[in-house]
Amino acid sequence: EAGVAQSPRYKIIEKRQSVAFWCNPISGHATLYWYQQILGQGPKLLIQFQNNGVVDDSQLPKDRFSAERLKGVDSTLKIQPAKLEDSAVYLCASSFKYGYTFGSGTRLTVV
Amino acid sequence: GENVEQHPSTLSVQEGDSAVIKCTYSDSASNYFPWYKQELGKGPQLIIDIRSNVGEKKDQRIAVTLNKTAKHFSLHITETQPEDSAVYFCAASRHGGSQGNLIFGKGTKLSVKP
Repeated sequence: EAGVAQSPRYKIIEKRQSVAFWCNPISGHATLYWYQQILGQGPKLLIQFQNNGVVDDSQLPKDRFSAERLKGVDSTLKIQPAKLEDSAVYLCASSFKYGYTFGSGTRLTVV
Repeated sequence: GENVEQHPSTLSVQEGDSAVIKCTYSDSASNYFPWYKQELGKGPQLIIDIRSNVGEKKDQRIAVTLNKTAKHFSLHITETQPEDSAVYFCAASRHGGSQGNLIFGKGTKLSVKP
């Protein structure tokens, strides 16, 4: 089966600019997650979707981050405006019943 | 909330030796403990997991042990090979592995020297 697809792979932006990341989960996986992985740390959950509904967004900085999952398939994560501390790898993962499959991530550098 | 501590942060072994990585967790309700391997430029890949009703699980050269009383679990890699070099993460969840937030440790960078 195809894995979790993410794009772009890399993105460099200036602070205060906006950026968007895209994720296409494994076909049939109802649950989709966005994780933030800062260099030297483990991934931290930003938001979890079940189909197109939000299950957990308690750790999403809602003043600057937003996410949507239209039609319960693809998802986009947006940051506006970006701060220097947003530099990280943004990982998308999906799951069906058990287990999680991660994409390769988008490495964001904010300068 | 749940907190997962992982040690050591770096580990260097000779090819053929064993490697052990240890994690502790704080939430006694956690019942699912996966281990992930992350290579440079890639996302984490599940290598083995264990649920709280099991004390040990083995898959070829990889084994995981769980001590629920002490709230710690360990990854054991035997007969290490250079391709085992990567960053390893432990994680914990109270959702039995069926969706829900994974709380990750900070990772262990394993280097296997030929």
